[in-house]
Amino acid sequence: EAGVVQSPRYKIIEKKQPVAFWCNPISGHNTLYWYLQNLGQGPELLIRYENEEAVDDSQLPKDRFSAERLKGVDSTLKIQPAELGDSAVYLCASSLGPSGGPETQYFGPGTRLTVL
Amino acid sequence: AQSVTQLDSQVPVFEEAPVELRCNYSSSVSVYLFWYVQYPNQGLQLLLKYLSGSTLVESINGFEAEFNKSQTSFHLRKPSVHISDTAEYFCAVSRGGSNYKLTFGKGTLLTVNP
Repeated sequence: EAGVVQSPRYKIIEKKQPVAFWCNPISGHNTLYWYLQNLGQGPELLIRYENEEAVDDSQLPKDRFSAERLKGVDSTLKIQPAELGDSAVYLCASSLGPSGGPETQYFGPGTRLTVL
Repeated sequence: AQSVTQLDSQVPVFEEAPVELRCNYSSSVSVYLFWYVQYPNQGLQLLLKYLSGSTLVESINGFEAEFNKSQTSFHLRKPSVHISDTAEYFCAVSRGGSNYKLTFGKGTLLTVNP
């Protein structure tokens, strides 16, 4: 069974440019997460979807970040415009959810963004 | 609010030596605790978790962690490490309720040398 797929794996852009990341969760997983991982830090949740509904986007900087999960499967995270401080790894994870308890989250390999 | 502190950013050890990676958490409510491992160029993988019951939990590759409520700790141990255990290890905490948000520590890089 395929794991969580993310693309691209690496992206280099100039500041003020837009960028988008794509995530395909494990088949059958209803909950999808986007995390931000800065260098030397642990992942921080940006947004959590249950099916196509964003149930927790409190940490998403909505002035420049947006996300969508149309049809409750694939998801796209966008930054427009990108800033130097956005350089980081963007991780996608999925879980079966919701089950009434904490679930194992399965992570993709991440997209490493470099903003010049 | 909950938080996680991993006391060591890097832990170098020799092959076959024992290792302990330390994790302390803070939370005002009951928590669930996790250790994730990230091998080079790979995504995070769940290593083990404590939800309830026995305070000692084990993974399939010889790691174990013990939930200590009075010490608010969840240290990860292995009695004899292999070179293949070289990776970054993240401790994470989630509280009960309707939002099982994971809060991660900053990670500990375990380097096993021959």
